[in-house]
Amino acid sequence: DAKTTQPTSMDCAEGRAANLPCNHSTISGNEYVYWYRQIHSQGPQYIIHGLKNNETNEMASLIITEDRKSSTLILPHATLRDTAVYYCIVRAYNTDKLIFGTGTRLQVFP
Amino acid sequence: EPEVTQTPSHQVTQMGQEVILRCVPISNHLYFYWYRQILGQKVEFLVSFYNNEISEKSEIFDDQFSVERPDGSNFTLKIRSTKLEDSAMYFCASGPRSYGYTFGSGTRLTVV
Repeated sequence: DAKTTQPTSMDCAEGRAANLPCNHSTISGNEYVYWYRQIHSQGPQYIIHGLKNNETNEMASLIITEDRKSSTLILPHATLRDTAVYYCIVRAYNTDKLIFGTGTRLQVFP
Repeated sequence: EPEVTQTPSHQVTQMGQEVILRCVPISNHLYFYWYRQILGQKVEFLVSFYNNEISEKSEIFDDQFSVERPDGSNFTLKIRSTKLEDSAMYFCASGPRSYGYTFGSGTRLTVV
């Protein structure tokens, strides 16, 4: 599985957009980009995933660059409840397994 | 919103004892998983289970671990002879497909 690189931590003001970057320069053509988050010590929560097109759901938007070497998760209006560790994960098509890194700790402040 | 339910939330066991961690996946889900997270460390994949058999397992999932879906609604992880290093948060997950699956809130296992 391709390795991902994320900033260790980020801050965001409540109500503003949170843009979380992820580098995955060694991603191959059949690998998907997944985003999960973990609030405190709870179980990871699925946010969104994509292959090459930008994706949007009720939680977030995922922007994948044309060369697929990086992506950005966007939380359009961050709330205090969005404070969590966010994981960017590259997953091969032929496995269900998710390989978690250390993620980005997002702190949303009032 | 449907949830994956794990019981107990916290279990303490003596080293060498067998422990069974229980999970009730979301109804109609077909894919089941166990992950663990040692305190302060990364979330680690243990095993995936589909169609009543293990579909993939990690190096961590050795002979002391086993999984079972005993009655069509529960999904269990058994650790036969617990070691101190098995102390961790164990997460069960389920999904209707093999991606975007839902995690439970975990069972904290403490081996003393």
